Amino acid sequence: GQQVMQIPQYQHVQEGEDFTTYCNSSTTLSNIQWYKQRPGGHPVFLIQLVKSGEVKKQKRLTFQFGEAKKNSSLHITATQTTDVGTYFCADDRGSTLGRLYFGRGTQLTVWP
Amino acid sequence: NAGVTQTPKFQVLKTGQSMTLQCAQDMNHNSMYWYRQDPGMGLRLIYYSASEGTTDKGEVPNGYNVSRLNKREFSLRLESAAPSQTSVYFCASMGVDGYTFGSGTRLTVV
Repeated sequence: GQQVMQIPQYQHVQEGEDFTTYCNSSTTLSNIQWYKQRPGGHPVFLIQLVKSGEVKKQKRLTFQFGEAKKNSSLHITATQTTDVGTYFCADDRGSTLGRLYFGRGTQLTVWP
Repeated sequence: NAGVTQTPKFQVLKTGQSMTLQCAQDMNHNSMYWYRQDPGMGLRLIYYSASEGTTDKGEVPNGYNVSRLNKREFSLRLESAAPSQTSVYFCASMGVDGYTFGSGTRLTVV
């Protein structure tokens, strides 16, 4: 079935560099949620995008939903060591039952 | 503290043993979920309960059973554990701000 593809799988950056992870689909995405999981921790909700072309910001984090709703991205400006973790996107495929379909995540490592 | 509480945090089982993972939320959420997380595989849904009294299979339900005991509690049972069930298990409930996850259960089956 439809799969949410997340790239890259791994990203290593030096502190201060920017970072972007992409969530792509061959079919239209419904509503996208982004989560962050610190090493050894549990996923934590960051944000939800529902509208075509939507852009939301949280401090150094910028979230975008593509115009065609086939992709989404998370961009971190000037990474810090506290940004280390795995970032997941998830699509609800229009489910009214709250089911989410997760991408496999992008593991971010930040070198000081 | 409001949130999702999972027990136990760690467990080692022998092949063939059974156990129940407990999950409780105090946020008055209707929907609850059990996921497993394996390296490189992301989060895969095992079972979910959209409301008290209902349960449904997710992507990987084989070898598991669930019980929605009441609105707060949603348990996951392994009747006869297998090494392939070695994983980290997360319980979650859904609110207006996405999922709230528990801290996870790290299960090893030897």
